[in-house]
Amino acid sequence: DTTVKQNPRYKLARVGKPVNLICSQTMNHDTMYWYQKKPNQAPKLLLFYYDKILNREADTFEKFQSSRPNNSFCSLYIGSAGLEYSAMYLCASSTRGGCNQAPLFGEGTRLSVL
Amino acid sequence: QQQVRQSPQSLTVWEGETAILNCSYEDSTFNYFPWYQQFPGEGPALLISIRSVSDKKEDGRFTIFFNKREKKLSLHITDSQPGDSATYFCAASALTGANTGKLTFGHGTILRVHP
Repeated sequence: DTTVKQNPRYKLARVGKPVNLICSQTMNHDTMYWYQKKPNQAPKLLLFYYDKILNREADTFEKFQSSRPNNSFCSLYIGSAGLEYSAMYLCASSTRGGCNQAPLFGEGTRLSVL
Repeated sequence: QQQVRQSPQSLTVWEGETAILNCSYEDSTFNYFPWYQQFPGEGPALLISIRSVSDKKEDGRFTIFFNKREKKLSLHITDSQPGDSATYFCAASALTGANTGKLTFGHGTILRVHP
């Protein structure tokens, strides 16, 4: 199976409530990424795990948390959702330093915060 | 500061024509450029990619032309088909260093191919 799976596909959340999104891959990729995509904007990297090391982008450092309990799974956690978090969240994975480094993307989770 | 720019924002061509999608970048450390194709309701899928040591990469009807000196590249889709209608993202990354694998995306070009 050479796909990245994301759950759920659609998520409705209330302002102020936590949100947890799940991603999995079985390709033994060492790196997993989370991107945020809003309409008419470029996908924006939020954070990535290289093996067990979490790297968060400076401008989203305090807004998102993540965990990677094993090589196959990675979560994206929002502690208190705000309206501005409404977006498509894309998970991707790749092997860092490999011949083909283009990350493979999942189908995304569309988060709507009300 | 937008590091990867794409133009046009949207493009309409007739079936059989060649669609040309443009991309430019600013960071000279970028040396790997994948193009992704995204259909509504789906995630981006890798279409074709090029490394900065090459000036051309061809895969069927899809060709990337790369100009390192001008920091520009373009995706040519020959014999465009209605099924090519999608959003195309140009992305850039470095193959070495701390930012290896991190993609910087352009805003995308929406391509419509009319039958």
